[in-house]
Amino acid sequence: AQSVTQLDSQVPVFEEAPVELRCNYSSSVSVYLFWYVQYPNQGLQLLLKYLSGSTLVKGINGFEAEFNKSQTSFHLRKPSVHISDTAEYFCAVRSLGGYQKVTFGTGTKLQVIP
Amino acid sequence: ETGVTQTPRHLVMGMTNKKSLKCEQHLGHNAMYWYKQSAKKPLELMFVYSLEERVENNSVPSRFSPECPNSSHLFLHLHTLQPEDSALYLCASSQELDGQGAYEQYFGPGTRLTVT
Repeated sequence: AQSVTQLDSQVPVFEEAPVELRCNYSSSVSVYLFWYVQYPNQGLQLLLKYLSGSTLVKGINGFEAEFNKSQTSFHLRKPSVHISDTAEYFCAVRSLGGYQKVTFGTGTKLQVIP
Repeated sequence: ETGVTQTPRHLVMGMTNKKSLKCEQHLGHNAMYWYKQSAKKPLELMFVYSLEERVENNSVPSRFSPECPNSSHLFLHLHTLQPEDSALYLCASSQELDGQGAYEQYFGPGTRLTVT
């Protein structure tokens, strides 16, 4: 079984400040990890993914995430946020080995304050 | 059209109505999904179709009936819904790799359903 925890349901941050959105996962096997973003009245859009290789993954819109196997974390970061980053962010995990569905976290709403 | 499209974008229906949601993917993918997104709840996977066969059905009530006539189209037929079924219904597609599941999913904009 696999699970994802996003402890912060809402994160307010001032424009041009850095932000970190936290994601922890659990799985008994190796995993693939994803971050998706959902803007108001839209579907989810892939921000970045970790499949293998370098643990620092760069995505779209200046976001990056670091896979930490020992801490079972995949935190999302951006050094300087913009008003347009206001959205809901979802972490997701898929375990390797045969057919496995993707499990999504409950989401973190990022509110960028002007 | 590009990506994943869904129609209608908004739907209001009474509890005795019958309606259908439509999803079309223009990405050449071989797997399609229905998700339910309710306020303050995790995204709920409802159905998965891989190569036009249903491979997952997460204990969804029978008032929801999926149909996948080909790899590009997915429908969700609705009848005698309850007010608690009001939610955003998201369709997604992905490329499944040799039965090993898929990597990322591509989502449509969703249908906002209100049951009165």
